[in-house]
Amino acid sequence: GIQVEQSPPDLILQEGANSTLRCNFSDSVNNLQWFHQNPWGQLINLFYIPSGTKQNGRLSATTVATERYSLLYISSSQTTDSGVYFCAVGLTPDYKLSFGAGTTVTVRA
Amino acid sequence: DAGVTQSPTHLIKTRGQHVTLRCSPISGHKSVSWYQQVLGQGPQFIFQYYEKEERGRGNFPDRFSARQFPNYSSELNVNALLLGDSALYLCASSFRDASYEQYFGPGTRLTVT
Repeated sequence: GIQVEQSPPDLILQEGANSTLRCNFSDSVNNLQWFHQNPWGQLINLFYIPSGTKQNGRLSATTVATERYSLLYISSSQTTDSGVYFCAVGLTPDYKLSFGAGTTVTVRA
Repeated sequence: DAGVTQSPTHLIKTRGQHVTLRCSPISGHKSVSWYQQVLGQGPQFIFQYYEKEERGRGNFPDRFSARQFPNYSSELNVNALLLGDSALYLCASSFRDASYEQYFGPGTRLTVT
């Protein structure tokens, strides 16, 4: 199956700082999603981004499919950005998503 | 529109018992997938159903089974529970296969004592 590696495993930020999370994957994909897992365990969709660049408020993401990586940018971080961020990939005709181990982000006031 | 719903929210069972978890997908979605997430790890794929047929199975023992109903809702069944089955069980809904955006429910937290 497709291997997904996320870095760094842990990130501690001061409120207002910017950060970059990275996701590397081992094979071609036609789905790449970024999720934020809230304290209650629910996975919140951030981006569906198999290629290209998207922005949503203070978050943006870029996927370079030919080089098999994706980046998630958090700007002007807030304490509410704390949590675990997961990257997950999928490839037709498969039906599953393969997840990375996640990046735990802690934003301090 | 309602998102993916799962029930129950929490569940405590004893070793050897059986459990049934339920999931209702987003309206219009015909695909339901199940994932297991143990503490400190990313979700692991268990099953995927599309149009009531099993389309994928992860590396889980035969104690795990699932089915999808005509209204596209789904059940995950686990027999002969082990302590290691304690985890968060997540259901995902999508229009079809892995190329489509997946949406997750709030999960069922299962504790086996």
